Amino acid sequence: DAGVIQSPRHEVTEMGQEVTLRCKPISGHDYLFWYRQTMMRGLELLIYFNNNVPIDDSGMPEDRFSAKMPNASFSTLKIQPSEPRDSAVYFCASKFRPWGNTEAFFGQGTRLTVV
Amino acid sequence: DQQVKQNSPSLSVQEGRISILNCDYTNSMFDYFLWYKKYPAEGPTFLISISSIKDKNEDGRFTVFLNKSAKHLSLHIVPSQPGDSAVYFCAASGTQGGSEKLVFGKGTKLTVNP
Repeated sequence: DAGVIQSPRHEVTEMGQEVTLRCKPISGHDYLFWYRQTMMRGLELLIYFNNNVPIDDSGMPEDRFSAKMPNASFSTLKIQPSEPRDSAVYFCASKFRPWGNTEAFFGQGTRLTVV
Repeated sequence: DQQVKQNSPSLSVQEGRISILNCDYTNSMFDYFLWYKKYPAEGPTFLISISSIKDKNEDGRFTVFLNKSAKHLSLHIVPSQPGDSAVYFCAASGTQGGSEKLVFGKGTKLTVNP
């Protein structure tokens, strides 16, 4: 398996523009997570899905952020409108939890710069 | 409020010696703990984990120790190698409550000098 695939790897956009980040989880995984990494706050969970259903979105900073998972092999994180303070590295991760505890596998991240 | 704390932002050790990375947590509901390693421009990579029913888990050169009463865990790397130079993140989850939410510390940058 190719692992968790995120696109684009880098995104530079102007303030006020819409940004869409994409993620393809590992096939067969039933959990998908979106994380954001900044110097100030470290790695923070934004939202996670189980079987394509959003379970916990308490980390989504504000209404400008939205996430969808239309099927088991694709998820998007959208920021509209984007602001300079959204500049960060966004990671997608997935895991399979048949029983017990298991680890999550991370993608390589999308570095977002809002100017 | 940081629930998972890594108080040392950086650590430098000599090749062949032991590296000890520390992590403290505040939430007594956490029952599963993980260590991830991260190289620049890459995503975090899973290293080793431990359940709260254990106090030690070993995998090759890596051993994680858990002290539940002190709410403290540590990662030991023996012997350290230059390729171990990376940022190490401690993470925790409270899965008994049905949540799969992983809470991360801010990381410790390990440098292993040849």
